[in-house]
Amino acid sequence: KAGVTQTPRYLIKTRGQQVTLSCSPISGHRSVSWYQQTPGQGLQFLFEYFSETQRNKGNFPGRFSGRQFSNSRSEMNVSTLELGDSALYLCASSIQPTGKYNEQFFGPGTRLTVL
Amino acid sequence: KNQVEQSPQSLIILEGKNCTLQCNYTVSPFSNLRWYKQDTGRGPVSLTIMTFSENTKSNGRYTATLDADTKQSSLHITASQLSDSASYICVVRENTGFQKLVFGTGTRLLVSP
Repeated sequence: KAGVTQTPRYLIKTRGQQVTLSCSPISGHRSVSWYQQTPGQGLQFLFEYFSETQRNKGNFPGRFSGRQFSNSRSEMNVSTLELGDSALYLCASSIQPTGKYNEQFFGPGTRLTVL
Repeated sequence: KNQVEQSPQSLIILEGKNCTLQCNYTVSPFSNLRWYKQDTGRGPVSLTIMTFSENTKSNGRYTATLDADTKQSSLHITASQLSDSASYICVVRENTGFQKLVFGTGTRLLVSP
């Protein structure tokens, strides 16, 4: 069974640009969560989607947005990039967001560098 | 505020030695606690998961303990190997409707030959 895949793996952008990251969950998983990981802050929760609906959102500015498609694939978008957005963006999928099948499996991440 | 604190922040040990990583949390109500291993540049991988009633759980050379009364957990690594060099992250799940995850900032372990 294939794991969580994220594309692209590496990305370099300049300030002010916008970026879209993609995540394909494990087959059969309907819940997708996004995290930002920086050396100083650790893993910070961005948002969670289940059945195409945003179920929960972390404390990030409106420049960060996401969506989930009917096939459970998810994208996140960051507009007007800032230097501080440089981070590893991780996607995690689970069968369900709560209950017995809520174990999250992480993808390899997308390393975003903002110059 | 629900928090998870890990110590030490970083650790260097010689190959073959044992080590113990600590995790203290204030998350309440508590659902479960999971330890993840994250190799550099890769996503975290789950090592163990423990619920309220579990005190110890092992996964090969990794043994996690949980004291739900004191809200403390530890991850003990036995006979360390170079491949154990990674960050170890403690994650606690709230027992609420959203079942939010609260992440520790991790302990960076370097196993030296």
